[in-house]
Amino acid sequence: AQTVTQSQPEMSVQEAETVTLSCTYDTSESDYYLFWYKQPPSRQMILVIRQEAYKQQNATENRFSVNFQKAAKSFSLKISDSQLGDAAMYFCAYRRYSWGKLQFGAGTQVVVTP
Amino acid sequence: EPEVTQTPSHQVTQMGQEVILRCVPISNHLYFYWYRQILGQKVEFLVSFYNNEISEKSEIFDDQFSVERPDGSNFTLKIRSTKLEDSAMYFCASSEDSSNEKLFFGSGTQLSVL
Repeated sequence: AQTVTQSQPEMSVQEAETVTLSCTYDTSESDYYLFWYKQPPSRQMILVIRQEAYKQQNATENRFSVNFQKAAKSFSLKISDSQLGDAAMYFCAYRRYSWGKLQFGAGTQVVVTP
Repeated sequence: EPEVTQTPSHQVTQMGQEVILRCVPISNHLYFYWYRQILGQKVEFLVSFYNNEISEKSEIFDDQFSVERPDGSNFTLKIRSTKLEDSAMYFCASSEDSSNEKLFFGSGTQLSVL
C-alpha cells in the first residue's frame, strides 16, 4: 500500500523568504503522479503543483517549485518569496493512475510572518 | 475557470438521520470522487465513480454510504443513518478523463452530526 508522509506539522517563514516542505512516499510503482495542494482557512483544496514520475525535470509554477528525487521517494515543495497569502495547510498527495484516488499526507501548516 | 459546485456548504443533522450531499462536477468531466476530512486530520478518499458505477471505494465507504449521478449533472453522496463520527468536511472532485490527472475540488460541505 502506498503511504505519504509529511514529517513537519508546521513551518514558519518570514515574508519574502523561502521555505521548503518535505514529503516522502512509499510505492513499488515506477509510474505515478505527485501533487501539492494548498488548503487555506476556507478549507478549499487548491492544486499548487504536480509532477509526473516519468519526468525527470522538476515542476515549477511561478514561486512554487519541487525537488523530485525518485530514487529516494522524496517530493519537497519550495515556496520562494513567501507572501502572506501563502499561509495555509499544504498537503502532499500521491496518485497511481491519472484517474485513480489521491492519497494525502497529514499536511504541513505554513505560517507566514511579516 | 470552471468549478465544481457543492451544496449545501454546511449541513447539520441528528444522529441516525439520512443526509444527501450534492455536487455539480465540471460539465465535460467523466471521473467523480468523494473525499472527506475530519477536523485536524488528513483528507481521506471515499469513492470514485465512472461510467455510472463505482470504480473504487475505501474501507470507510461501507453500506451506510451510496453515490448516485441521477440526472447527468449532479453527483450525490448519501449517508443513510449518520453517526457522530461522520462529522467531517466532505469534498467532491472531478477530472476530465484518464489522460488528465488534474483533479478539481469543490469547496466542500461541512457535515455536523449532533
